[in-house]
Amino acid sequence: SQTIHQWPATLVQPVGSPLSLECTVEGTSNPNLYWYRQAAGRGLQLLFYSIGIDQISSEVPQNLSASRPQDRQFILSSKKLLLSDSGFYLCAWSAGQLGQYFGPGTRLTVT
Amino acid sequence: QKEVEQNSGPLSVPEGAIASLNCTYSDRGSQSFFWYRQYSGKSPELIMSIYSNGDKEDGRFTAQLNKASQYVSLLIRDSQPSDSATYLCAVPSSGFKTIFGAGTRLFVKA
Repeated sequence: SQTIHQWPATLVQPVGSPLSLECTVEGTSNPNLYWYRQAAGRGLQLLFYSIGIDQISSEVPQNLSASRPQDRQFILSSKKLLLSDSGFYLCAWSAGQLGQYFGPGTRLTVT
Repeated sequence: QKEVEQNSGPLSVPEGAIASLNCTYSDRGSQSFFWYRQYSGKSPELIMSIYSNGDKEDGRFTAQLNKASQYVSLLIRDSQPSDSATYLCAVPSSGFKTIFGAGTRLFVKA
């Protein structure tokens, strides 16, 4: 069966510091991968999606970037965090259009 | 701009009642539809998918799809307090993206 991991689970970072969130998927190959952000009490905002290694699409212009160094690894990064980057970051995978499966998420607080 | 609309709620139902959650979508070409459940502080979990008009049942959950009217609904029979969560409707969009509704908060009173 497929499993998706995210770490860390929680993170508190000062404004201006860098960020690296990691997501890995087990039990499937060539998954579509996604990064979402969910602000408190709000809906899901798609940040990036990837249909293959080095094939990454950005949905929202901001100070975040994403990389996919391996087939089942997806990394979200920032060089300098802003207060507005606080939120619940979710990684998800899908196989085609059969629904998405989410990781446990990373709760980021920028202070 | 393709959209998925849901009533934000909260929808409050007594334990044992039927909870009815509704969703409308704008893209007439949509072929698949999903419902996710998100408990407070947790990540969304895929609970139902439906691809053709009519009803699809899975345990206490029934998804209903009406493509002509562009709505999809989720019925939860014999609602339990453990069903209290936010329910997200989702419709695949262009490429491999999915549009999620903002979600309906359901509260089941014991």
